[in-house]
Amino acid sequence: GAGVSQSPRYKVAKRGQDVALRCDPISGHVSLFWYQQALGQGPEFLTYFQNEAQLDKSGLPSDRFFAERPEGSVSTLKIQRTQQEDSAVYLCASSLEQGRDYGYTFGSGTRLTVV
Amino acid sequence: DAKTTQPTSMDCAEGRAANLPCNHSTISGNEYVYWYRQIHSQGPQYIIHGLKNNETNEMASLIITEDRKSSTLILPHATLRDTAVYYCIVRVRAAAGNKLTFGGGTRVLVKP
Repeated sequence: GAGVSQSPRYKVAKRGQDVALRCDPISGHVSLFWYQQALGQGPEFLTYFQNEAQLDKSGLPSDRFFAERPEGSVSTLKIQRTQQEDSAVYLCASSLEQGRDYGYTFGSGTRLTVV
Repeated sequence: DAKTTQPTSMDCAEGRAANLPCNHSTISGNEYVYWYRQIHSQGPQYIIHGLKNNETNEMASLIITEDRKSSTLILPHATLRDTAVYYCIVRVRAAAGNKLTFGGGTRVLVKP
């Protein structure tokens, strides 16, 4: 596709449930980022992949959060035993690694609501 | 990455130029100024970036002061579709793992 695709668009989870959020980056984009955006706030960095390697996971808020990108394309963000404070929009972004700095392309996000 | 300061919100009239200020007094010599915007229910969208020279593209113009401690994003003819939150970010140029650090941004409302 032409852009970054995220699914599902909306997810409602009961507290304690595990969830998996999917990101399809732009084909050929080496870098992939996950961000968390609470209501009324700017996006906050969670983790970064270069191809299949997770090079930075300093933003993951707890060990309940896990991300993977096994083949260097599609990525999944998993949240175990969801809590109400996990309610947020989860954004994925991808970018070319080299060449001109075109900036990052973001998906529209997955809105997670934990009830 | 250097911290930025932006007004919380501003209104502007449709068809007029919108000037969005950003202060980044602690910017380092190798840090660029980036602007992104986020329209409701969408992900952030790249607008423009620059180091020290003024930049222009099809979306906007970026004016950076000579001392690089502040900048202004100019939307030359604001439309209703430009209503969004605008983020000013400073960081080193894109390289492996250089993440964007977002602040609160400026909530811009374009009025008819």
